[in-house]
Amino acid sequence: EPEVTQTPSHQVTQMGQEVILRCVPISNHLYFYWYRQILGQKVEFLVSFYNNEISEKSEIFDDQFSVERPDGSNFTLKIRSTKLEDSAMYFCASGRFGQPQHFGDGTRLSIL
Amino acid sequence: QKEVEQNSGPLSVPEGAIASLNCTYSDRGSQSFFWYRQYSGKSPELIMFIYSNGDKEDGRFTAQLNKASQYVSLLIRDSQPSDSATYLCAVITSGTYKYIFGTGTRLKVLA
Repeated sequence: EPEVTQTPSHQVTQMGQEVILRCVPISNHLYFYWYRQILGQKVEFLVSFYNNEISEKSEIFDDQFSVERPDGSNFTLKIRSTKLEDSAMYFCASGRFGQPQHFGDGTRLSIL
Repeated sequence: QKEVEQNSGPLSVPEGAIASLNCTYSDRGSQSFFWYRQYSGKSPELIMFIYSNGDKEDGRFTAQLNKASQYVSLLIRDSQPSDSATYLCAVITSGTYKYIFGTGTRLKVLA
């Protein structure tokens, strides 16, 4: 069964550094998402992406965040200057219109 | 602010019993409802989805939706210790495709 893949599984970064989280969505999906989950808290929506542009973003997704689909397969989340509070699990998801979203295994981001 | 509410639990049930998990949502225009299971440190895994009022069954799982009362529930029959996890309710509200998640209910199935 096709799945969403995310790399790396764990990223440790110094505060203030840039980080790029990578995702390969399921190939015939057209809607892509990033969510995050701070330890012990609920899963929160960050951004959705469709037709090569952001379709929706949350208040969390400020100017320090950006997303890109640089080629036909990858979908990336960049955090420009990381803060301690960016430490969380970041999940990529993909889906088709009207269908459930499928989640990747996540990237655990630790900011030191 | 559109909200999805769940009792955080833990909900403890004996092996073989029925586990009943509930979720309420604030946006009356919500269209799509999902149940995900999340093991500790893992990603959400889709269990069920439901779009219309009533019941939807899939194996040991039944999702129930009541749009008038704005709640959705998940029943797990013949609960197994391997069902022990956090169950996340996710809702797609009107005018959007994003999920709004509840905090999740932790289920413990006791052997």
